[in-house]
Amino acid sequence: DTEVTQTPKHLVMGMTNKKSLKCEQHMGHRAMYWYKQKAKKPPELMFVYSYEKLSINESVPSRFSPECPNSSLLNLHLHALQPEDSALYLCASSQPHRRGGGPPYEQYFGPGTRLTVT
Amino acid sequence: SQQGEEDPQALSIQEGENATMNCSYKTSINNLQWYRQNSGRGLVHLILIRSNEREKHSGRLRVTLDTSKKSSSLLITASRAADTASYFCAQLIQGAQKLVFGQGTRLTINP
Repeated sequence: DTEVTQTPKHLVMGMTNKKSLKCEQHMGHRAMYWYKQKAKKPPELMFVYSYEKLSINESVPSRFSPECPNSSLLNLHLHALQPEDSALYLCASSQPHRRGGGPPYEQYFGPGTRLTVT
Repeated sequence: SQQGEEDPQALSIQEGENATMNCSYKTSINNLQWYRQNSGRGLVHLILIRSNEREKHSGRLRVTLDTSKKSSSLLITASRAADTASYFCAQLIQGAQKLVFGQGTRLTINP
């Protein structure tokens, strides 16, 4: 199984709502990622989890709160978002990269959640 | 910014022709990866080339790497309508688990 699943596919939320995006993989990968992608732009890294611990936070506003409850699941909790946060949110997974070197690993991406903040 | 640049930004060709996309990057790399993204969907890994490799093939894909010029190119031969997508190069930042994508090339294959 080389699939990364994301739910929901589409989400419309108001600025006062609280919602969560979910991501799941069963490839045994121990690194999971959240990316944000605006239209006609490349994906931009938001968070990296390695062995269920947050290892990279790319200075993301606190209205985005990631959570990795176990090695297969990754959540992104959303609260008090702004209209400019509307984007495609992509989850990905891979084997974790070793800081001292080691082979590079490809990342497997889910289909994304299209988020619209009204 | 560590993001690389790709050119052209958009490319439209006839089915059966070859498509070439170029990527330039800023920092030293140990590998460069290419991904494809169909409209509004997730990315799919296509090919990875290491810094000690100059050329790599996978089916109809050919990737070259010139580390002296900090550039790479992706060639798709005998293009098909299904190749219509955006193509991104990406570099893994050394010492981190951070994949940084280029701006991408939007490829359209006309039947």
